[in-house]
Amino acid sequence: AQSVTQLDSQVPVFEEAPVELRCNYSSSVSVYLFWYVQYPNQGLQLLLKYLSGSTLVESINGFEAEFNKSQTSFHLRKPSVHISDTAEYFCAVGGSNYKLTFGKGTLLTVNP
Amino acid sequence: ETGVTQSPTHLIKTRGQQVTLRCSSQSGHNTVSWYQQALGQGPQFIFQYYREEENGRGNFPPRFSGLQFPNYSSELNVNALELDDSALYLCASSSGSGSYEQYFGPGTRLTVT
Repeated sequence: AQSVTQLDSQVPVFEEAPVELRCNYSSSVSVYLFWYVQYPNQGLQLLLKYLSGSTLVESINGFEAEFNKSQTSFHLRKPSVHISDTAEYFCAVGGSNYKLTFGKGTLLTVNP
Repeated sequence: ETGVTQSPTHLIKTRGQQVTLRCSSQSGHNTVSWYQQALGQGPQFIFQYYREEENGRGNFPPRFSGLQFPNYSSELNVNALELDDSALYLCASSSGSGSYEQYFGPGTRLTVT
């Protein structure tokens, strides 16, 4: 069975500050890891993914995440956030068993 | 390239009624997955269809059923609606039967009164 724990339900930060959204997973098989972002009243957008290879993955808008197998973590980071980054962020784990298992989400609020 | 689309956007139903939600997959994708997202929660996997066959199912009762058509679009049907069925229903499409990368539609907001 797979599970995902997002350790913070809400993270408030000021604009241009760094941020880390924490995600831990549990899985008995090889995993694929994802971060999705959800803006108010919208669906989920794929932010970045780890399938194999380099453990550090990056998105086009400055977010990055590092797969740490020993700590079973996939934390999301950004060195300097913008107001427009305010959204709900979901960590998810998938594998060959066809489904994505999501965490409960972290609401990132960027204040001016 | 057309993304995943869902209809309707919003829907209000009464307890006990039946509802059908629709999803068109992204161009080139042959797999559709459905998720239920209750308020304040992460999405929960309902089931997946691959080449018109159910390819896996989550912990949802049989009154949740689905179809996939030859053009890979899909329907989610829910019978005997309950108040707890109120949620955002998300459709995701992908290529192949694994869950490597799934692309989500905007969702259908279902309210059961």
